[in-house]
Amino acid sequence: DVKVTQSSRYLVKRTGEKVFLECVQDMDHENMFWYRQDPGLGLRLIYFSYDVKMKEKGDIPEGYSVSREKKERFSLILESASTNQTSMYLCASIPSSGDTQYFGPGTRLTVL
Amino acid sequence: SQQGEEDPQALSIQEGENATMNCSYKTSINNLQWYRQNSGRGLVHLILIRSNEREKHSGRLRVTLDTSKKSSSLLITASRAADTASYFCARGGSNYKLTFGKGTLLTVNP
Repeated sequence: DVKVTQSSRYLVKRTGEKVFLECVQDMDHENMFWYRQDPGLGLRLIYFSYDVKMKEKGDIPEGYSVSREKKERFSLILESASTNQTSMYLCASIPSSGDTQYFGPGTRLTVL
Repeated sequence: SQQGEEDPQALSIQEGENATMNCSYKTSINNLQWYRQNSGRGLVHLILIRSNEREKHSGRLRVTLDTSKKSSSLLITASRAADTASYFCARGGSNYKLTFGKGTLLTVNP
């Protein structure tokens, strides 16, 4: 079975802190995604990556950056956390040969 | 931009009843997918229907797709309390990206 793991289930940070959210998948998938999920807004794509060191902006990239140094790991970085970045963050991966995305369990981030 | 929109936003039924959720979208698709999310967890893929298909079954799930109306429906038959979750449709385009709707919260009462 495909496994996508995220570094933390719950995270509390203070405004202005730099925050790293890590995502690791164990099935050699080329494509990885970061979403945020907010009540009433559904899932919105922040960034995605088609390959190592490649990244593309999604629908709401402002305030975020990403890093993909290894194929299995895709990191989401909040350079200076703000309260409006309090949200559930979901990572997903998909192989280039596939159609469906595999999701991690999510990280619920609270910025105080 | 979000182009998959589910209807209704919330649905409450009794165990044993059928649950029907609808999804509309605005642009062309390669496929339409349905995902399930238990409270506070990640999403799990349920079923995929391709643009050239009209109906697909998987266990108690039945999905239909009407590309002329740009709509899909998910039917869960003989629902169980364990089916309580949020259900999302997602439009699959020409790349690996998915565009999700806002979801339907299904509550199945024992």
